[in-house]
Order: sequence, then C-alpha cells, then structure tokens
Amino acid sequence: GESVGLHLPTLSVQEGDNSIINCAYSNSASDYFIWYKQESGKGPQFIIDIRSNMDKRQGQRVTVLLNKTVKHLSLQIAATQPGDSAVYFCAGNSGGYQKVTFGTGTKLQVIP
Amino acid sequence: GAGVSQSPRYKVAKRGQDVALRCDPISGHVSLFWYQQALGQGPEFLTYFQNEAQLDKSGLPSDRFFAERPEGSVSTLKIQRTQQEDSAVYLCASSLLGGPLRNEQFFGPGTRLTVL
Repeated sequence: GESVGLHLPTLSVQEGDNSIINCAYSNSASDYFIWYKQESGKGPQFIIDIRSNMDKRQGQRVTVLLNKTVKHLSLQIAATQPGDSAVYFCAGNSGGYQKVTFGTGTKLQVIP
Repeated sequence: GAGVSQSPRYKVAKRGQDVALRCDPISGHVSLFWYQQALGQGPEFLTYFQNEAQLDKSGLPSDRFFAERPEGSVSTLKIQRTQQEDSAVYLCASSLLGGPLRNEQFFGPGTRLTVL
C-alpha cells in the first residue's frame, strides 16, 4: 500500500524566515500530492497540490517541490508568519476517486 | 457560505455505548469522506460516498463501524459498542465532484470522541 511520511516531527522558525517542511513517499504510482495545514481544533485546510508530472508549483507564499527520483516532497513557506503556526501534513492520492493517504505531520512553530 | 459542519463537536461515551456522529457537507458536493485521526497522527481514511452510494468502506476498522448517506447529503457515522481504542477525532470532508477527477476536499472541524 501507499505510505506517506515526514522526516521531522517539529520545526521551529523565526518569524520572517523561510520554512521548509519535508515529506517522503513510497508509492511511485501516486497521481498527485497535497499539502494540508491543520490548526488546533480544526480540520485540515488545503494549501497546495501538485501533479506527479510536475516538479514545482507555486502559490501565495508557498511552493511545493516534487522530486520523483528520490520520492521526496517539500513545502516551502516564504516569510513565515505567526499565523503559519500549525501542523502540516503531506498527503498522496493514488488515483481512482480521490482517496487520500496522510503522513504523520510536522508541527511548525513560529518564533515572534 | 457555510462550510462542512459536524456535530457534536465533543462526545464522551462509556465503553460499550453506541454513538452517532453527524456530518453536513457543503451543499451540492457530490463526494463525502470520513477520516479517523488519532492524537498526534494524520487522518486515516475510513469510507467514501459518491452521492448516496458508499463506494469504498475499506478503511472502517471493524464491523462496529457503519456509515450512511441516505439522501446524498447529510451523513452519519455510527459506532456500536464503543471501545477505548475508538477514541479519536472523526473528520468529515466533502468535495464538489465525484469520480477520478482531482478536486479539493473541504474538511469539517471534526468530532472528538472519548471512550471511557
């Protein structure tokens, strides 16, 4: 089955600095990947996704990079703000009807 | 517009008790998903509906878990004879389209179930 996991459980970043959150996956057949942000007491919120035929995708202050050779995914957050403090999950969709497999999450702590 | 809502937000049950968790998806959304999230873990898929049809229930951990969406909108996740290992946050998500097309899932706030 598909496995999506994260390298680091926590990440502390100074406000204004850039953040990089990493993720590894095992299923090379995955169609696309999604990054979610989950704040305490809330459900996951979609941040950005990327198809398996792309290497990079940019959003507002966020960039997702996909390295299929080493099965690695990263989320870059520019100019990290206190409101970015949350747990970030990578997730993989292995095709079909959108079934999503989540990793265990990285907690991002922004230091003011 | 309203997002996905879930009720109750918190539920405490005694072991052996039956519980029912409700999900109100975004109006018009075809797809509905249930996930289970243990403390400190990522959500794990339980089941998927496309309209009223339950197309995948492979993630339900046992036959004590049952989900329905009889009219293709509101869904209920029922857990019979609850056990302590059922304690988790149960998340519901909906998305506009069905089938294999990629589209965003919108999550509700979840129901935190604690089984004593």
